Amino acid sequence: DAGITQSPRHKVTETGTPVTLRCHQTENHRYMYWYRQDPGHGLRLIHYSYGVKDTDKGEVSDGYSVSRSKTEDFLLTLESATSSQTSVYFCAIRGDRSSYNSPLHFGNGTRLTVT
Amino acid sequence: AQSVAQPEDQVNVAEGNPLTVKCTYSVSGNPYLFWYVQYPNRGLQFLLKYITGDNLVKGSYGFEAEFNKSQTSFHLKKPSALVSDSALYFCAVFSGGYQKVTFGIGTKLQVIP
Repeated sequence: DAGITQSPRHKVTETGTPVTLRCHQTENHRYMYWYRQDPGHGLRLIHYSYGVKDTDKGEVSDGYSVSRSKTEDFLLTLESATSSQTSVYFCAIRGDRSSYNSPLHFGNGTRLTVT
Repeated sequence: AQSVAQPEDQVNVAEGNPLTVKCTYSVSGNPYLFWYVQYPNRGLQFLLKYITGDNLVKGSYGFEAEFNKSQTSFHLKKPSALVSDSALYFCAVFSGGYQKVTFGIGTKLQVIP
């Protein structure tokens, strides 16, 4: 799957605990994205990155933070998990060469359950 | 702001029949349109895209899509459905100069043997 690894694949955590999800890519792509997928909502953008240490908010960024200290890694952190953050989280990447034309490539997702 | 609408939650079609999955979009500039497919417990896979040029775009697995600027639509089509086409399909739009890609809510395609 286009050299994208998400970890962990599954996680169960308790309300109020911090959680970090990792996305690792081997494609050296500039753009990286975090989406969440929920029934009836499709995919919604949480945060995205357009380079090392360059990030911006998406449409559902409240309660989430991100960091990108290296090209290959994009971390998503839930500072204090809530039940509303139970979801499937997808990382995606996009290449540089013709960014307007190039599609997103997705990882296999992380299923997060907050109890 | 850009948006995508997929008006059907689910589409049922008999194997061998043609299929259509609908998508309409709204953007302020020129649209870049994509279709993705998702199989259970997997990420989304790219099917096809429209950037410019011919309004009929061909993609993977025999799928094609027709871009209609006047109707702001980008419907996904296939002449003859296979049971293995059963999956969740997402339409997405990206407007140039704006790095955010917006997805529709998805349409579940069920191909009946």
